[in-house]
Amino acid sequence: GEDVEQSLFLSVREGDSSVINCTYTDSSSTYLYWYKQEPGAGLQLLTYIFSNMDMKQDQRLTVLLNKKDKHLSLRIADTQTGDSAIYFCAEVGFGSSNTGKLIFGQGTTLQVKP
Amino acid sequence: DTAVSQTPKYLVTQMGNDKSIKCEQNLGHDTMYWYKQDSKKFLKIMFSYNNKELIINETVPNRFSPKSPDKAHLNLHINSLELGDSAVYFCASSQVRTGLTDTQYFGPGTRLTVL
Repeated sequence: GEDVEQSLFLSVREGDSSVINCTYTDSSSTYLYWYKQEPGAGLQLLTYIFSNMDMKQDQRLTVLLNKKDKHLSLRIADTQTGDSAIYFCAEVGFGSSNTGKLIFGQGTTLQVKP
Repeated sequence: DTAVSQTPKYLVTQMGNDKSIKCEQNLGHDTMYWYKQDSKKFLKIMFSYNNKELIINETVPNRFSPKSPDKAHLNLHINSLELGDSAVYFCASSQVRTGLTDTQYFGPGTRLTVL
């Protein structure tokens, strides 16, 4: 079945790099996403990667995809206190309806200490 | 301009009541979704509509009825509210139906509290 897993919590010091990991099960996933949710707010799309790519960089964000191991990671360079939030990994699953739907991981709470 | 908007932002009501949450998107997207986020922050899809047609209906009690008057709106009506319905409900929209290339944009959420 479709399943996405993440570790629940990560704590880093301001200025360090953060690496949030995610594993997924659906090998037919074409796009994988990272969303950010700040306290009391909605989901903000951070970045996404197409399955034929290994890496995507966007300013302080680097996404690495290991399709063989079905492993996705998000690296945040020079982490700031404003990066404190919950980060969700998501894949596009199709199920029985043959219509795309996002399957989310449980979310990783990133705590950035000053 | 807000791309995906929801009203109300907060909704507090008694068990047994009927309530609605409204969602509107001004992105010109064809597909809209409702997701539920529980107290542990777990997000799960409930429904999806494409051009006013229901295309995804996950295992959701039939007390929940989505209504799409046009492709820019997808409202969620909930009958006979129960304590377990307390959650944050997110609306989202995307451009294409199949999910192969679309990116979903989320509204700010509606926090429903059932007392």
